[in-house]
Amino acid sequence: DAGVIQSPRHEVTEMGQEVTLRCKPISGHNSLFWYRQTMMRGLELLIYFNNNVPIDDSGMPEDRFSAKMPNASFSTLKIQPSEPRDSAVYFCASSLGQLNTGELFFGEGSRLTVL
Amino acid sequence: AQSVTQPDIHITVSEGASLELRCNYSYGATPYLFWYVQSPGQGLQLLLKYFSGDTLVQGIKGFEAEFKRSQSSFNLRKPSVHWSDAAEYFCAVGITGGGNKLTFGTGTQLKVEL
Repeated sequence: DAGVIQSPRHEVTEMGQEVTLRCKPISGHNSLFWYRQTMMRGLELLIYFNNNVPIDDSGMPEDRFSAKMPNASFSTLKIQPSEPRDSAVYFCASSLGQLNTGELFFGEGSRLTVL
Repeated sequence: AQSVTQPDIHITVSEGASLELRCNYSYGATPYLFWYVQSPGQGLQLLLKYFSGDTLVQGIKGFEAEFKRSQSSFNLRKPSVHWSDAAEYFCAVGITGGGNKLTFGTGTQLKVEL
């Protein structure tokens, strides 16, 4: 089975440009998570969806960040305009919605560099 | 709010030696606890989890962890480390009713000397 698929794997852009990161969760999983990983702050949960509905977006840094999940098989994280401090690895993860599994399946991440 | 502390940023051990990675959590009730491993350039993979019951849990790749409520700890152990265990290890906590929303520690980077 295919795991969580993220694209692009690497993105280099200039400050002020729009960045869109994409995620395809594992088929049948109904929860989807966007995490950001930096050296300074570690892994931070940005937002998570359950059944395509955003449940908790309290980790989204500011209005420049937005996330959507138009259907069960696709999600996007958009940064507009991007800033150098947004440089990080962005991970998407999916899971079955019940905590009795407790297992998040992570994609390989999208490494973003904003110059 | 719940939190996780991993006090060791880097640990170096010799191949074949035993390993213990520390994890302390803060949460008012019984938490759900996890250890994940991240190899370079990869996403995180679940090693083991604790929900309830036996406080010593076994995971993949020969790892185990022990939940100690009195110490608010969930330390990860392996009796004999292999060079392929070099990676970053993350402890995480989930809470009742929190879905699969996890809070991660800052990670411990493990280096294995041959």
